Amino acid sequence: NAGVMQNPRHLVRRRGQEARLRCSPMKGHSHVYWYRQLPEEGLKFMVYLQKENIIDESGMPKERFSAEFPKEGPSILRIQQVVRGDSAAYFCASSPSTARYNEQFFGPGTRLTVL
Amino acid sequence: AQSVTQPDIHITVSEGASLELRCNYSYGATPYLFWYVQSPGQGLQLLLKYFSGDTLVQGIKGFEAEFKRSQSSFNLRKPSVHWSDAAEYFCAVANSNSGYALNFGKGTSLLVTP
Repeated sequence: NAGVMQNPRHLVRRRGQEARLRCSPMKGHSHVYWYRQLPEEGLKFMVYLQKENIIDESGMPKERFSAEFPKEGPSILRIQQVVRGDSAAYFCASSPSTARYNEQFFGPGTRLTVL
Repeated sequence: AQSVTQPDIHITVSEGASLELRCNYSYGATPYLFWYVQSPGQGLQLLLKYFSGDTLVQGIKGFEAEFKRSQSSFNLRKPSVHWSDAAEYFCAVANSNSGYALNFGKGTSLLVTP
């Protein structure tokens, strides 16, 4: 059973471009969480999604950031008009249902560098 | 809001010595607590978790943690450290207001010397 997959692993963008980060949860998992890790910081929660629904996006910046988890295909975190401050590692995690009693399995992350 | 504090940013331990990494949490009810390890350039791996029951929790790689409600702590321990344990360690608490998303501490970087 493959783990959580994220691609690309490394992404370089120039200021003003768009970044698309993909997360394929583990098989059978329908809950996805996105986290951002800034340098020298712990991970910060961004958004929690179930299939076709955004459940909680309280940690996501109001502008330029969006996330989706369609019925088919991976979850996508989209950052429009990137700025240098968006440079970070972005991790997704999946769980089979609400993570209340379930472990979240983390992907290897996408490291975004904005030039 | 649920939060965790890891007081030690860096810790250096000799190989074979014992280890204790500190974690303090802030939460009114019984918290769901976790310890994760992150090797350089890698994702996070769960070491252990506490939901309820026995306050001494055994995890993978020889790690254990003890939940102490009176001290609001969930410290990670290992009796004998191996060089391969050098990594970043994160304590986390599940936030019931965000679908049990995790609130992480800032991490403790462990260096193991020969």
